[in-house]
Amino acid sequence: GQSLEQPSEVTAVEGAIVQINCTYQTSGFYGLSWYQQHDGGAPTFLSYNALDGLEETGRFSSFLSRSDSYGYLLLQELQMKDSASYFCAVRLSFNKFYFGSGTKLNVKP
Amino acid sequence: DGGITQSPKYLFRKEGQNVTLSCEQNLNHDAMYWYRQDPGQGLRLIYYSQIVNDFQKGDIAEGYSVSREKKESFPLTVTSAQKNPTAFYLCASSPGTDTQYFGPGTRLTVL
Repeated sequence: GQSLEQPSEVTAVEGAIVQINCTYQTSGFYGLSWYQQHDGGAPTFLSYNALDGLEETGRFSSFLSRSDSYGYLLLQELQMKDSASYFCAVRLSFNKFYFGSGTKLNVKP
Repeated sequence: DGGITQSPKYLFRKEGQNVTLSCEQNLNHDAMYWYRQDPGQGLRLIYYSQIVNDFQKGDIAEGYSVSREKKESFPLTVTSAQKNPTAFYLCASSPGTDTQYFGPGTRLTVL
């Protein structure tokens, strides 16, 4: 079976930096994606790592270590609008993805 | 505008009824997906399709059926065999890259 582990909930203050970790054990691995979902909304794509290292997109960065089966999403200069759930997802094969249970991020003033 | 549409936004089903959820995309994507999301949970894959007239079961396909007669459309039928269908259903498409694009979802409630 597939397994993705991420914390269920994280709280941080506005302006701070927060890191959301994701460890995985899967039967296949093409890469690791991150999605953001606000309450009642649809998930939206944030980033994707296929190779080891750090990918930066504005205030968001994502890291992958394939040897450790580990990745993280780093959010800098937190804003209230960043309060949402964040999901890591493994691309198991060319067209198949497996999602984690999500991390609820609470940003406080 | 290009995108994915799902209808209806809210759907109520009586016990023993089959219902069909619509998913349409005009992004010209080959791959399409159906996920189920329960409160506070992640997304679980129901079915996916890589090309027209072909689809594969995901992790929780029991009690669901799909068809892919057109590239743009991937309807999901929730049958009476699905014992606990109340959930948020999300459709997605992908051009065969690392990104999935999601529709706004259908919230299904069994009365």
